[in-house]
Amino acid sequence: GQSLEQPSEVTAVEGAIVQINCTYQTSGFYGLSWYQQHDGGAPTFLSYNALDGLEETGRFSSFLSRSDSYGYLLLQELQMKDSASYFCAVLNQAGTALIFGKGTTLSVSS
Amino acid sequence: DGGITQSPKYLFRKEGQNVTLSCEQNLNHDAMYWYRQDPGQGLRLIYYSQIVNDFQKGDIAEGYSVSREKKESFPLTVTSAQKNPTAFYLCASSTSKYSGNTIYFGEGSWLTVV
Repeated sequence: GQSLEQPSEVTAVEGAIVQINCTYQTSGFYGLSWYQQHDGGAPTFLSYNALDGLEETGRFSSFLSRSDSYGYLLLQELQMKDSASYFCAVLNQAGTALIFGKGTTLSVSS
Repeated sequence: DGGITQSPKYLFRKEGQNVTLSCEQNLNHDAMYWYRQDPGQGLRLIYYSQIVNDFQKGDIAEGYSVSREKKESFPLTVTSAQKNPTAFYLCASSTSKYSGNTIYFGEGSWLTVV
């Protein structure tokens, strides 16, 4: 089956850079996705990596190394509004539905 | 505006009762999903459907049932067989079964057993 590991908590200050790591074990791999969820809200899609390398979207970047079964989400110029939970996710073995990690809670302080 | 609507936002259930959570989408998406979220547990897949009149069990389907009679609708019934149903339930959809990496969520429904 699919499993994902990510740190449970990360703390940082405004303006800093933080990296949230994700390692995965899968039977079949279709790419790594990242989602953000503010407390009590709905998760929203952030990024998707199908191939090795870095994908940049504004202050957020996501990296994938398929040979290491590893990826990370990089958040730059942190703002208070970035305080949220971040989830990495992969498709299940059949490639038909996302399986999520347990999430990393990011706390940004001033 | 297009989106996913879940109702009710908050629901209280007595033990032994079945309850149904509604999920409606007007995005013309083929695939729909139900997830359960408990504190510190992330999102766990309950059921999903890739086309009308077809659905598959996820990792924690026991005690739940679904139907997909219309493309727009994917209701989830939490039955009395679900022993610990208190949780945050999230419905999601994607364009098709081939775009499952990018899914869009509704605002969720909080279910509490009293």
